[in-house]
Amino acid sequence: DTGVSQNPRHKITKRGQNVTFRCDPISEHNRLYWYRQTLGQGPEFLTYFQNEAQLEKSRLLSDRFSAERPKGSFSTLEIQRTEQGDSAMYLCASRPGQGANEQFFGPGTRLTVL
Amino acid sequence: DAKTTQPTSMDCAEGRAANLPCNHSTISGNEYVYWYRQIHSQGPQYIIHGLKNNETNEMASLIITEDRKSSTLILPHATLRDTAVYYCSWGGPQGNLIFGKGTKLSVKP
Repeated sequence: DTGVSQNPRHKITKRGQNVTFRCDPISEHNRLYWYRQTLGQGPEFLTYFQNEAQLEKSRLLSDRFSAERPKGSFSTLEIQRTEQGDSAMYLCASRPGQGANEQFFGPGTRLTVL
Repeated sequence: DAKTTQPTSMDCAEGRAANLPCNHSTISGNEYVYWYRQIHSQGPQYIIHGLKNNETNEMASLIITEDRKSSTLILPHATLRDTAVYYCSWGGPQGNLIFGKGTKLSVKP
C-alpha cells in the first residue's frame, strides 16, 4: 500500500454514460498525476495538478474528460459520454513538490465500457 | 518518439540475478531515470531512481551508462514474487513519467 487510494477499483458502464473516479493522494504531496493504461502498454500521462491548479493536459485528454482537485486534496476524473475506447486502467499518482520525481501510484480504477 | 526501449520479455531462474536493460537515448541531461514494476491488476510500484551515479537500495541496483543513454536494473537474487512487468521511465517536461511497454520478467523455480 503506497498511501494513494482510488475509488472505485472497478467500473462497468454502458456506452454514453458518464463516470467519475476519485483519487486520494498522500496527504503532504502537492503534485497529483492522472495516467491511463491500456492492455500491454505502459501508463500514459493525462494531466497533473500542483495543489488545486491543473497545470498541464495531454493531447490524450479529449473534451469529454475533465479533472478537478478542489482545495488541493483529493482529485476527481470525469469522463462524459463514455466510448468503448475509453476502456482502460486509470491510475493516479502523487509526489512531493520538491526533489526527485519519485511518484507513488494508487491501485487504479479499471473502466470497462460496454 | 521520446520513449524508452526495453526487451519484451525475459526469464530468470529463482535465486539468480536478473539484469533488465533499458535504452533511453533521448533523455535530457537533468532528467532522472526511474524504474517501476507492476504486478497484474495493481498500480506500478516504485523500485529505484538515479541521475548519473549507480544506485542501490534494499530492492535493487541501478547501473547508468556514462552517456546516460541506457541503464540496467539488477535484482540480485530474484524470487518468484519478483515476477512482474518492469518499466524504466524518465521525467517529462511537466514532471510526468514517460513509460515504454516494459519487460515482462518471469522468475522460474
